[in-house]
Amino acid sequence: EPEVTQTPSHQVTQMGQEVILRCVPISNHLYFYWYRQILGQKVEFLVSFYNNEISEKSEIFDDQFSVERPDGSNFTLKIRSTKLEDSAMYFCALGGGHEQYFGPGTRLTVT
Amino acid sequence: QKEVEQNSGPLSVPEGAIASLNCTYSDRGSQSFFWYRQYSGKSPELIMFIYSNGDKEDGRFTAQLNKASQYVSLLIRDSQPSDSATYLCAGGPNDYKLSFGAGTTVTVRA
Repeated sequence: EPEVTQTPSHQVTQMGQEVILRCVPISNHLYFYWYRQILGQKVEFLVSFYNNEISEKSEIFDDQFSVERPDGSNFTLKIRSTKLEDSAMYFCALGGGHEQYFGPGTRLTVT
Repeated sequence: QKEVEQNSGPLSVPEGAIASLNCTYSDRGSQSFFWYRQYSGKSPELIMFIYSNGDKEDGRFTAQLNKASQYVSLLIRDSQPSDSATYLCAGGPNDYKLSFGAGTTVTVRA
C-alpha cells in the first residue's frame, strides 16, 4: 500500500479566502484523486488527474476548484474563494490499476 | 453522479459471525466496484475491488457482484471486534470516477 501525506492536517480559513491543500505521495503513481467528505455525509468524488491532466471531474468541481502537480511530486487542490459549505474533510487518493489508496485527509473549516 | 445505495444499518453481529453488507447501484454502465472500510475520524481503507460477476474472496472478505440485478455485497466471515467500522461501497463507469454510498456501520459484539 502506497504512503501519502497531506498537509495541512487542519486548515481554518475565512469565507472568500483561497486555500491550497497538498498531497505528497511517497512513491510514484499515475493517478491522483481528490475527494471530500462533509461531516456525517458520504464521500464525494471531486476530480481525477492523470499525466498532468484532469481525467474526470464531478459536478462539484466547478470553476472555484483547480488541481495541479506544480513540481512533479506534490499534488494540490486549490479552492479560489471558499464558502461555508466547503467545510469538509478533503482526501487525496493515489492509484492506478484498480486500486485507490486514501491519504489521511485535511480538515478544512471555513468560518 | 449516479447513485449508490447501501443498506442503512447499523448492523450488529456477535464475534465470529458473518456480517453481510449490501449495496445497489442505479447506473447500468457501472463496471468498477470497491469496498472500503472507514474507522471513525479516519480515511477510507481499501478492502477490495470487483469487476466481474460472481464472487471474489480475499481472506475473511468475500465480495459478490451481480450486474443483472445491479447489486454488490460484502461478506465478512469470522467477524472480529476490530472489524467494527463503517463500510463504504463505491462504484462507477471506470476506476476514475466513483460514487460512494453513505456507508453501513458495523458493530461486532465481543
